[in-house]
Amino acid sequence: GNSVTQMEGPVTLSEEAFLTINCTYTATGYPSLFWYVQYPGEGLQLLLKATKADDKGSNKGFEATYRKETTSFHLEKGSVQVSDSAVYFCALYTSGTYKYIFGTGTRLKVLA
Amino acid sequence: EAGVAQSPRYKIIEKRQSVAFWCNPISGHATLYWYQQILGQGPKLLIQFQNNGVVDDSQLPKDRFSAERLKGVDSTLKIQPAKLEDSAVYLCASSSFDRGRGNTEAFFGQGTRLTVV
Repeated sequence: GNSVTQMEGPVTLSEEAFLTINCTYTATGYPSLFWYVQYPGEGLQLLLKATKADDKGSNKGFEATYRKETTSFHLEKGSVQVSDSAVYFCALYTSGTYKYIFGTGTRLKVLA
Repeated sequence: EAGVAQSPRYKIIEKRQSVAFWCNPISGHATLYWYQQILGQGPKLLIQFQNNGVVDDSQLPKDRFSAERLKGVDSTLKIQPAKLEDSAVYLCASSSFDRGRGNTEAFFGQGTRLTVV
């Protein structure tokens, strides 16, 4: 079945450090891929998305590239801020099943 | 554009009591989802509606959970009777549906944090 695997957290970084959160997926067909962010006490917010292979999603300095050959969608940011501290969820959607599948989330803590 | 509205934000009940959550999706969104998010885990789909019909309720514990979306707009999720392990955040989400592409990205409400004591 379809699944999403994320690196375990927490990830703790100093401000202005480079961020990578790994995400790999298993899916039949051609899924759309998403990164959602959840700030404390809040619901999930869409951070970025990519709908086909080699697409790059980007938003707020974050970016992720849909890599079909490695079935990956790693999240990166060149310089993190304290305000980026949150839980990040990788997710996929397949039009065949009309379902979203979420990873377990990766908590990011950025220290000043 | 107004987002997905959920109420209440917080609820504390004793085990074996009943509770209901309400969700109003983004206007025009045909698809509505209820997710359960246990602390430290990713959201788990409980039920998915397309307009007022159920698309998927395979992970809904039907002996205690029920959900309805009678007019294809807002929805309620009920738990009766609640158990300690039902303590979680209940997230409602909605998306629009296109026959060619399927669902667009899901937009989430702020969630209802349920504590069962």
